[in-house]
Amino acid sequence: ETGVTQTPRHLVMGMTNKKSLKCEQHLGHNAMYWYKQSAKKPLELMFVYNFKEQTENNSVPSRFSPECPNSSHLFLHLHTLQPEDSALYLCASSRGTSGSADTQYFGPGTRLTVL
Amino acid sequence: KQEVTQIPAALSVPEGENLVLNCSFTDSAIYNLQWFRQDPGKGLTSLLLIQSSQREQTSGRLNASLDKSSGRSTLYIAASQPGDSATYLCAVRREKSSGDKLTFGTGTRLAVRP
Repeated sequence: ETGVTQTPRHLVMGMTNKKSLKCEQHLGHNAMYWYKQSAKKPLELMFVYNFKEQTENNSVPSRFSPECPNSSHLFLHLHTLQPEDSALYLCASSRGTSGSADTQYFGPGTRLTVL
Repeated sequence: KQEVTQIPAALSVPEGENLVLNCSFTDSAIYNLQWFRQDPGKGLTSLLLIQSSQREQTSGRLNASLDKSSGRSTLYIAASQPGDSATYLCAVRREKSSGDKLTFGTGTRLAVRP
């Protein structure tokens, strides 16, 4: 158990639905991340939050909307997704001191299927 | 733009064999390099982290080396076991001033046969 939990573990949604992915970390970290892992592609960083402030948006389409209400919780709100958005969405956290050698700890991911 | 390549993409070996996984990166201006393990349907587990000033790190049967100038890292697994079967990912972090972004390779899928 990594200390980073994600819910739901599996999600099937239509293109017109609105859903949210949730991530929670119990490690006392200050940085949280969303990654997308598609088949046969490298993990792609989507968003980074440091001390609840968004510090990176890796050119992610606006149909993905992150929210970080506090250092322990991170959400990814989804609306009007496309089938190519189907992927494993991974959340990670780290201590968050910029430039340090801290390791990122990953959650188990949410397997998203868009019909 | 940093690109990370892992060779081979897949590997199947008999139990007990020593093996080497390769990782190469195009931009040598890295802060550190990390090797992860991913089991099917699960998240990533960090195995080893090598700072750019280091040449290698060891943890149990795992040894990771880094040659920053040539843009290469290897993960050596000694006396492989079926429980080592997983996908192994390497990731590089940009230089210190650029924050916490990791760039990942596509991984090597390892199967160790009993």
